[in-house]
Amino acid sequence: AQKITQTQPGMFVQEKEAVTLDCTYDTSDPSYGLFWYKQPSSGEMIFLIYQGSYDQQNATEGRYSLNFQKARKSANLVISASQLGDSAMYFCAMREGNFGNEKLTFGTGTRLTIIP
Amino acid sequence: DTAVSQTPKYLVTQMGNDKSIKCEQNLGHDTMYWYKQDSKKFLKIMFSYNNKELIINETVPNRFSPKSPDKAHLNLHINSLELGDSAVYFCASSPTGTKDTEAFFGQGTRLTVV
Repeated sequence: AQKITQTQPGMFVQEKEAVTLDCTYDTSDPSYGLFWYKQPSSGEMIFLIYQGSYDQQNATEGRYSLNFQKARKSANLVISASQLGDSAMYFCAMREGNFGNEKLTFGTGTRLTIIP
Repeated sequence: DTAVSQTPKYLVTQMGNDKSIKCEQNLGHDTMYWYKQDSKKFLKIMFSYNNKELIINETVPNRFSPKSPDKAHLNLHINSLELGDSAVYFCASSPTGTKDTEAFFGQGTRLTVV
């Protein structure tokens, strides 16, 4: 079974609009971390935002926020006021495991294209 | 200063050859990883090492042999390269014992087997 599911292979959004990228996860580990990474066409992996399984508040980093709904096992990324430079692949990831054997598992990604 | 650096960035080689990719991190992390990103952009973990010890081996063919001479380095050697090995290989590192810190990635090595 997929541990991380991203159901949107591609999205097109008008510049300056907000966009939500969906992510659901599956784990039986009570302690886990959820991450979003951006991969532009240049190929590097850029960390965007983190949410811990015990965090009460949704994480925010500048224009990025994470809509964390633990009971639904979802961790959607919200990008406000999108910019042309936001066009990229976006990956949701989950870290689980115990001391020394933590593993970061990725979803299949969403390709976001911002339209001028 | 680059936190996680991989060399080379591009590697083009013929089927059957043996090649190595090197990775070094200067973050003081105990855990290092190799990920493979295929043509559909799917990122799959191959190996993880903690303090030079192999922790995770995700059913990777034994033509792939990681080696960690110290906790700052994790190299990947591939024997008898096949066309299906063409992919982007990412090295990453993270601190051990915490799930709240992101993994830091190298810039990737694009391997093309012809």
